[in-house]
Amino acid sequence: DAMVIQNPRYQVTQFGKPVTLSCSQTLNHNVMYWYQQKSSQAPKLLFHYYDKDFNNEADTPDNFQSRRPNTSFCFLDIRSPGLGDAAMYLCATRRGRASETQYFGPGTRLLVL
Amino acid sequence: GESVGLHLPTLSVQEGDNSIINCAYSNSASDYFIWYKQESGKGPQFIIDIRSNMDKRQGQRVTVLLNKTVKHLSLQIAATQPGDSAVYFCAENMQGGSEKLVFGKGTKLTVNP
Repeated sequence: DAMVIQNPRYQVTQFGKPVTLSCSQTLNHNVMYWYQQKSSQAPKLLFHYYDKDFNNEADTPDNFQSRRPNTSFCFLDIRSPGLGDAAMYLCATRRGRASETQYFGPGTRLLVL
Repeated sequence: GESVGLHLPTLSVQEGDNSIINCAYSNSASDYFIWYKQESGKGPQFIIDIRSNMDKRQGQRVTVLLNKTVKHLSLQIAATQPGDSAVYFCAENMQGGSEKLVFGKGTKLTVNP
């Protein structure tokens, strides 16, 4: 059974047109993460939520925003996608603060035209 | 700075052979390590983890070894199968309850029939 769900799996958007990617989890985990992954690279953390506390990475562009309306859902908003934002976007969850495994969703592949 | 690196970016093995994927980490404060497998177009999949109070942990066909003296982590896959072909990432979690993982660059494993 899917535990971390991402929709859509593939998203095509136009240069400069806002786009939202969604993630949901059935694990009731406290922490939710958003990563960007480009071809042949490791996932790069954009930000994460511990419950409702938002934690932005210092090098995440302002163009990227996130919302977490409840425990189960988290959204990634890209306000004005550029060609360089084309990538796989991965959502992950973790139960709590202690060293624990992060569980990843299948990812959303974003294409910017 | 903190980093997790892999010695070999690619590894090619024959089906049935054992595979060893290596990872060097630089942060001696890390207390938890994870190996992920990522197939093309999919999200990272948890394989096995190990805490810093252990030096070896075994799963089904996989073994992780941790050498804290030289800050080295390895993943051994026994009787490698074509389905093991993927990119493998090591990741570390810093001691102190950090919510973030630091990922290595990844090793692409190709299993030849």
